Amino acid sequence: LAKTTQPISMDSYEGQEVNITCSHNNIATNDYITWYQQFPSQGPRFIIQGYKTKVTNEVASLFIPADRKSSTLSLPRVSLSDTAVYYCLVGPGGTSYGKLTFGQGTILTVHP
Amino acid sequence: AAGVIQSPRHLIKEKRETATLKCYPIPRHDTVYWYQQGPGQDPQFLISFYEKMQSDKGSIPDRFSAQQFSDYHSELNMSSLELGDSALYFCASSARDRMNTEAFFGQGTRLTVV
Repeated sequence: LAKTTQPISMDSYEGQEVNITCSHNNIATNDYITWYQQFPSQGPRFIIQGYKTKVTNEVASLFIPADRKSSTLSLPRVSLSDTAVYYCLVGPGGTSYGKLTFGQGTILTVHP
Repeated sequence: AAGVIQSPRHLIKEKRETATLKCYPIPRHDTVYWYQQGPGQDPQFLISFYEKMQSDKGSIPDRFSAQQFSDYHSELNMSSLELGDSALYFCASSARDRMNTEAFFGQGTRLTVV
């Protein structure tokens, strides 16, 4: 499975846009990029998943360049409730979806 | 909507005792994953099942075993408990027959070994 590298921590302020970049240099052809959010003592929660280019849903956008060696999670106009740990996961989708490997996540702290 | 149900939510055991954690996946989900998350740590993959068969194995100690039953619920059995087993244990489920799937996590079981 592709190894991922993310910043250990980030700080932001309410109303700002936050971009968290994940590096995955050895991503495989059939790998998808998935982001999860985790609050203390709660299970991780799916945010967004993509394969290439740009994906957007109601909570975030995911930007994936053509070489797919990195990806950027964009959270628009963060609020205090977005303070959490964000994990970037890379792994195969579909029928070979055997496990999710969590690396070191990014602790995002949103300040008033 | 139905979510992943884990029981119990909290469990306190003494060293060398056994514990059984249960997980009830979302209906029609065929894959179950188990994770262990120690204090201040990232979730560590233990084991997963697809259609009641073990599909992947991670850093699960030999003292632990798990299975998925005919109704798709799963149990994680932990024996000879050690202080270091104190952690949050998460179960997740997904539907593997679709591409681009997401895994849904339960609220977790907090195991404290004293």
